[in-house]
Amino acid sequence: NAGVTQTPKFRVLKTGQSMTLLCAQDMNHEYMYWYRQDPGMGLRLIHYSVGEGTTAKGEVPDGYNVSRLKKQNFLLGLESAAPSQTSVYFCASRRRTSGTDTQYFGPGTRLTVL
Amino acid sequence: GESVGLHLPTLSVQEGDNSIINCAYSNSASDYFIWYKQESGKGPQFIIDIRSNMDKRQGQRVTVLLNKTVKHLSLQIAATQPGDSAVYFCADRALVAQGAQKLVFGQGTRLTINP
Repeated sequence: NAGVTQTPKFRVLKTGQSMTLLCAQDMNHEYMYWYRQDPGMGLRLIHYSVGEGTTAKGEVPDGYNVSRLKKQNFLLGLESAAPSQTSVYFCASRRRTSGTDTQYFGPGTRLTVL
Repeated sequence: GESVGLHLPTLSVQEGDNSIINCAYSNSASDYFIWYKQESGKGPQFIIDIRSNMDKRQGQRVTVLLNKTVKHLSLQIAATQPGDSAVYFCADRALVAQGAQKLVFGQGTRLTINP
């Protein structure tokens, strides 16, 4: 049981390039989330998904797209990277149960856009 | 909008002492709070949570206190160890849509353990 995994761990892009970050979870969780973390700040929600085939915008969705074609995978895409997207990206997942909101996080992807 | 904030960005304690990390929140309707620990180069790790119908909850070496009157919660770590060095985040949840509650994080407190 690997939990939540993310690939790649590190990436450097030039402005205007595109890339996809992959998140995978093996806990059969319904909900998945993408956050970004900037220095000195807490995590901010980019996009989320409540189930296979569904996605929705979070707090800071501009410049990103997501897809959830399979329940276990949640992809985050940058179509045209900008320096403002330099950040550490975390994926999280959660089971659909009432009362709690324990989200399990992946190890993160550190992205630098030059 | 809602916000969650920590009182101090850094905290240094002696090994073996107790640590207290504080957090304030603004949304009086918040009903669930979580503390996460984030070690360098890793993702946040769940420590303990508390619902708004409780004032205190204890885990292994950790205790969370919730004061709804002043919208404040704290994380107490007993007998702090070197492995406790990390950034600690408090978070509350906000309903977004379709049950996918988002977490609203504070900025974090970096806990440093002095030998």
